Amino acid sequence: GQSLEQPSEVTAVEGAIVQINCTYQTSGFYGLSWYQQHDGGAPTFLSYNALDGLEETGRFSSFLSRSDSYGYLLLQELQMKDSASYFCAVIKMDSSYKLIFGSGTRLLVRP
Amino acid sequence: EADIYQTPRYLVIGTGKKITLECSQTMGHDKMYWYQQDPGMELHLIHYSYGVNSTEKGDLSSESTVSRIRTEHFPLTLESARPSHTSQYLCASSGGGTGENTQYFGPGTRLTVL
Repeated sequence: GQSLEQPSEVTAVEGAIVQINCTYQTSGFYGLSWYQQHDGGAPTFLSYNALDGLEETGRFSSFLSRSDSYGYLLLQELQMKDSASYFCAVIKMDSSYKLIFGSGTRLLVRP
Repeated sequence: EADIYQTPRYLVIGTGKKITLECSQTMGHDKMYWYQQDPGMELHLIHYSYGVNSTEKGDLSSESTVSRIRTEHFPLTLESARPSHTSQYLCASSGGGTGENTQYFGPGTRLTVL
């Protein structure tokens, strides 16, 4: 089978740094992606890791350790608009190519 | 800015009705997907397509069907809607210069079956 685990909720203050962890268990692992979804909105792509290490895109960074089946999303200089749900998603490549989403982490940024 | 559209945005219908949710993208992407998402929950893949005349069922069993007659169009049909089909349906596409690893999502259709 396959599974992804991430915390259900995280709270942080404006200007702080927050890390959202994701552990996964799946066959045919190809890479790990992160998506942001505001309430009532559609998911939007944030980052993708296929290889071990850190990928940085502005205030957001994502890390992957394939040997540990673990990744995280790091958000720096938090802003109120960062309050949203964050989903990690495993990219599987076996008989087909598809995304398997985690259950999401709801981030609340307080003033 | 992603160019992927879904209609209707909201739909309330009675049990037993046949409905079609529309999804179109203007990016020329080969791959398109349908997800089902309940409020505050994860996205479940219900159908996907790798190109014209190619459709596959996803991981979540669904009573819906899809077709892919044109690259840009990937409609989802429920032959007989039931209250258990009440959910949000999200269409996505990937491919082209952005690669297969980035999926672009439409705004979603929020379906309520009474």
